[in-house]
Amino acid sequence: ELKVEQNPLFLSMQEGKNYTIYCNYSTTSDRLYWYRQDPGKSLESLFVLLSNGAVKQEGRLMASLDTKARLSTLHITAAVHDLSATYFCAVGVLRGGSNYKLTFGKGTLLTVNP
Amino acid sequence: KAGVTQTPRYLIKTRGQQVTLSCSPISGHRSVSWYQQTPGQGLQFLFEYFSETQRNKGNFPGRFSGRQFSNSRSEMNVSTLELGDSALYLCASSRGTGGGEQFFGPGTRLTVL
Repeated sequence: ELKVEQNPLFLSMQEGKNYTIYCNYSTTSDRLYWYRQDPGKSLESLFVLLSNGAVKQEGRLMASLDTKARLSTLHITAAVHDLSATYFCAVGVLRGGSNYKLTFGKGTLLTVNP
Repeated sequence: KAGVTQTPRYLIKTRGQQVTLSCSPISGHRSVSWYQQTPGQGLQFLFEYFSETQRNKGNFPGRFSGRQFSNSRSEMNVSTLELGDSALYLCASSRGTGGGEQFFGPGTRLTVL
């Protein structure tokens, strides 16, 4: 059974600092997703990573994928308070034909303090 | 372009009752997936429907069921509600079932008393 582990689960950081969230997974996969969830809200898609070595950036967030190491990272640069949210990674696993099933990590609760 | 819509947004039920939740995907999307989110278990996959057929299923008891209509709208049903069914139920739509990006609805918050 696929296991997806995120760490840290809780991250408190100061504005202006950099940090990285890690997502490890246990089974071969060629697609990984990062989502953001604000309290009481739904999930917002941030990045879709589809190949080994893929790197995507949006504002202060940058995501990368290493399929050989089964690792994805979400790097936060010069954090601002608006980035406070819970971040999830999700791994897609092929289950016959073209059917993918997404398995989510437990999420990282990020709090950015002034 | 309208996003994924879910109704109702909030529900309060008592143990033993049954409930039906509805999800309308983004226009043109044919795949609908359902997830249960709880503080303890996180986000767990329930099932996925594509072209009115269940394509994938998670590890949930048979009390949880779903269906999809010809217009891609989907419903999920939970019978004989238990306290532990209290959760945020999210549906997500995507164009196909080939691992494409999923777009999530606002969720239905179910409370079982």
